[in-house]
Amino acid sequence: SQKIEQNSEALNIQEGKTATLTCNYTNYSPAYLQWYRQDPGRGPVFLLLIRENEKEKRKERLKVTFDTTLKQSLFHITASQPADSATYLCASEAGSYQLTFGKGTKLSVIP
Amino acid sequence: EAQVTQNPRYLITVTGKKLTVTCSQNMNHEYMSWYRQDPGLGLRQIYYSMNVEVTDKGDVPEGYKVSRKEKRNFPLILESPSPNQTSLYFCASSLTSDSTDTQYFGPGTRLTVL
Repeated sequence: SQKIEQNSEALNIQEGKTATLTCNYTNYSPAYLQWYRQDPGRGPVFLLLIRENEKEKRKERLKVTFDTTLKQSLFHITASQPADSATYLCASEAGSYQLTFGKGTKLSVIP
Repeated sequence: EAQVTQNPRYLITVTGKKLTVTCSQNMNHEYMSWYRQDPGLGLRQIYYSMNVEVTDKGDVPEGYKVSRKEKRNFPLILESPSPNQTSLYFCASSLTSDSTDTQYFGPGTRLTVL
């Protein structure tokens, strides 16, 4: 069955460094991947979408890559700040009209 | 302000007592859905609706009902709640049923079934 996985449950990083989060998919080839941010007790908030024909996409300090050979998307936050601490979710289509989400990676940026 | 609202935000109830969680969006979105989020399991879709009077099951529909009589509202009904439905519930909406559309999530409803 098709799976979307975020293998790291948690990631701790020093302030100012680049955080890199991974999203892997198996048994299917999504046409796109979305990334969301979720703060504790709140709903996810959309950050970026990258399509399979786009190698890289940027938004301010965020960068997402999509490698169809490795079946992987990487999400980077450069010059990370404590305010970037949150859980980050990747998502892609799961059949018609549905999104499936990874379980998320909890990022903690340490001052 | 464009938003998705859910009520109540917190609810403690007992097994078997019917309840409804309301969801409303003010963005004229066609697509609405309900998710539950559990530790270690992530976000899982319960039901979705592509438009008024059109609903379909998601990945975990058992024990839930929905209706979409108006475009803005998409209530989630638990006819006979059980403890395994204790969870954090999110309503979401998007402009269309195209799964590339941005999902806008509500603030969540934390439900405890005793």
